Amino acid sequence: NAGVTQTPKFQVLKTGQSMTLQCAQDMNHNSMYWYRQDPGMGLRLIYYSASEGTTDKGEVPNGYNVSRLNKREFSLRLESAAPSQTSVYFCASSGTSGVLYEQYFGPGTRLTVT
Amino acid sequence: QKEVEQNSGPLSVPEGAIASLNCTYSDRGSQSFFWYRQYSGKSPELIMSIYSNGDKEDGRFTAQLNKASQYVSLLIRDSQPSDSATYLCAVNLGGTASKLTFGTGTRLQVTL
Repeated sequence: NAGVTQTPKFQVLKTGQSMTLQCAQDMNHNSMYWYRQDPGMGLRLIYYSASEGTTDKGEVPNGYNVSRLNKREFSLRLESAAPSQTSVYFCASSGTSGVLYEQYFGPGTRLTVT
Repeated sequence: QKEVEQNSGPLSVPEGAIASLNCTYSDRGSQSFFWYRQYSGKSPELIMSIYSNGDKEDGRFTAQLNKASQYVSLLIRDSQPSDSATYLCAVNLGGTASKLTFGTGTRLQVTL
């Protein structure tokens, strides 16, 4: 099993360009998440999908859109990239284990917006 | 007040010693607590999860939870240089089971 995979690993965009970050999981998890990680800010939730067909905003959704394409795939789109969106983006997924929702992370995408 | 607080460190411990990492959280309704390890340039890796008061042990790692005092800690016994990393505490705040709020992490340095 590959777990959670993300593409691309690195990306450089110019201000105003758009792009889609792809995420897929093969663990049959119901829930999927997009985070960004910035120095000193920790991991912040952008959007999440508790189950196929649903999406909800997290802490920092402005400037982003998401699509839960099917149970396996959850994409994050930047419509008009801004330098403030320079960050490392992580996708995660979780199933359930009793009351626990253990989240497992992909390898990340390092995005630079110039 | 931050919702999940951790000392940023660095916490420096000699090889073979016990490293103690602490985390406090704001919401008494929280039920699930997690510790992640993150090496520089890598993604977070789940190492412990706990939801009942008390201790949970897994190898050299022990997670301790005290809901009354709203803190969770991670002990690493026989610390090794390979344990040098940032440790992230995560909590499901507000009773939403599937959403986690992360602390900013404690950087641990294990010295030879």
